[in-house]
Amino acid sequence: QQQLQELGPGLVKPSETLSLTCTVSGGSISSSSYYWGWIRQPPGKGLEWIGSIYYSGSTYDNPSLKSRVTISVDTSKNQFSLNLTSVTAADTAVYYCARHSVSGTWYSAFDTWGQGAMVTVSS
Amino acid sequence: DIVMTQSPDSLAVSLGERATINCKSSQSVLYSSNNKNYLGWYQQKPGQPPKLLIYWASTRESGVPDRFSGSGSGTDFTLTISNLQAEDVAVYYCHQYYRIPQTFGQGTKVEIK
Repeated sequence: QQQLQELGPGLVKPSETLSLTCTVSGGSISSSSYYWGWIRQPPGKGLEWIGSIYYSGSTYDNPSLKSRVTISVDTSKNQFSLNLTSVTAADTAVYYCARHSVSGTWYSAFDTWGQGAMVTVSS
Repeated sequence: DIVMTQSPDSLAVSLGERATINCKSSQSVLYSSNNKNYLGWYQQKPGQPPKLLIYWASTRESGVPDRFSGSGSGTDFTLTISNLQAEDVAVYYCHQYYRIPQTFGQGTKVEIK
């Protein structure tokens, strides 16, 4: 059974770049069966999809983040990463990495989640 | 963007009774070519990540108790928890993965009456 684990700094200064890595264990990130995504949840609030990536490097991002997002994959390390630039306090959230299955030419719901990493933006 | 609106925001149900959560999407999430609704339901308990309960609007994820069921099509969907158990206290979210950006409902908190 695959497991996902987020890793990154718990505190980021305003205007800097938030960087998180998700390590996939129990299976290959290069499987053609899955997409890999990032979702965040501000304290006490709901869920926001950030973006998803396929092992080939093909990505889908949330336009609301106005090109501040870069999602990349490192198949040699079985990891995928999130970079979010020019952060503000509004980016304070628990950041989850998750897996969703390929379905035809698209994908399905998120069936496996990491435990989440709390990131606070503060000086 | 497709806006997902859940109702109610919270509800209290007696143990053993039925809880019904509604989710309405601002656009249809039904793909006519395969007749699938790109709609999922999640359960989130405090301090935990969301857990997938239902996908394709009505397919139960492996290991999920059969008291959880999903229904609906197009723009209107329902998650039903029959025979509510104490461990079902949580926030429940609907999620559309039909269009970019994927979007979630605001969540419905289920408590015990």
